[in-house]
Amino acid sequence: GAVVSQHPSRVICKSGTSVKIECRSLDFQATTMFWYRQFPKQSLMLMATSNEGSKATYEQGVEKDKFLINHASLTLSTLTVTSAHPEDSSFYICSARDGPGQSVFGNGTRLTVT
Amino acid sequence: AQTVTQSQPEMSVQEAETVTLSCTYDTSESDYYLFWYKQPPSRQMILVIRQEAYKQQNATENRFSVNFQKAAKSFSLKISDSQLGDAAMYFCAYRSANNDMRFGAGTRLTVKP
Repeated sequence: GAVVSQHPSRVICKSGTSVKIECRSLDFQATTMFWYRQFPKQSLMLMATSNEGSKATYEQGVEKDKFLINHASLTLSTLTVTSAHPEDSSFYICSARDGPGQSVFGNGTRLTVT
Repeated sequence: AQTVTQSQPEMSVQEAETVTLSCTYDTSESDYYLFWYKQPPSRQMILVIRQEAYKQQNATENRFSVNFQKAAKSFSLKISDSQLGDAAMYFCAYRSANNDMRFGAGTRLTVKP
């Protein structure tokens, strides 16, 4: 079946630094990918929709200058958390659509900002 | 905007018994998809079952089945013959025509041996 690879699975960074998370569709092309954030014991909250070759669409309340999204190819979307702070510590997960009615999720990235 | 409501933060079931998880949603769209995802401690999102809104027949996947009531905007998940491995967080999700997916708050299912 379709696979979405997300890397890294875990990352620890210092406050003020930037972190890049990659989301790759391994055996299919994804013109649209989605980025979610999940705090402990909470649900997944959509952050932004990543569109290949165009600007991402951000949900209300999500700072586009802090969470930079690049979708330069049909198989790769990246999320960069810039100038990370401890409150950015969370679980980030991406998904891509594989055919009608089917979404494939990456395994997520646990970000810890110290 | 579409909203998804799971009113049961926690549920418990005895092994081999049946449990039903509730989900309601709000939308003005006529064409959409509904999903149940399982999230174990690894936090991987595992698709349990999906339902196309235009289909009247309830989806079934082995021990998992749904009761889809479109008019009532209800989409409950029934797990039959519960197994210890079914213990996890379960999220109900709605996907609209523009493909973004909205999740409910989740229900933590415990399976007692």
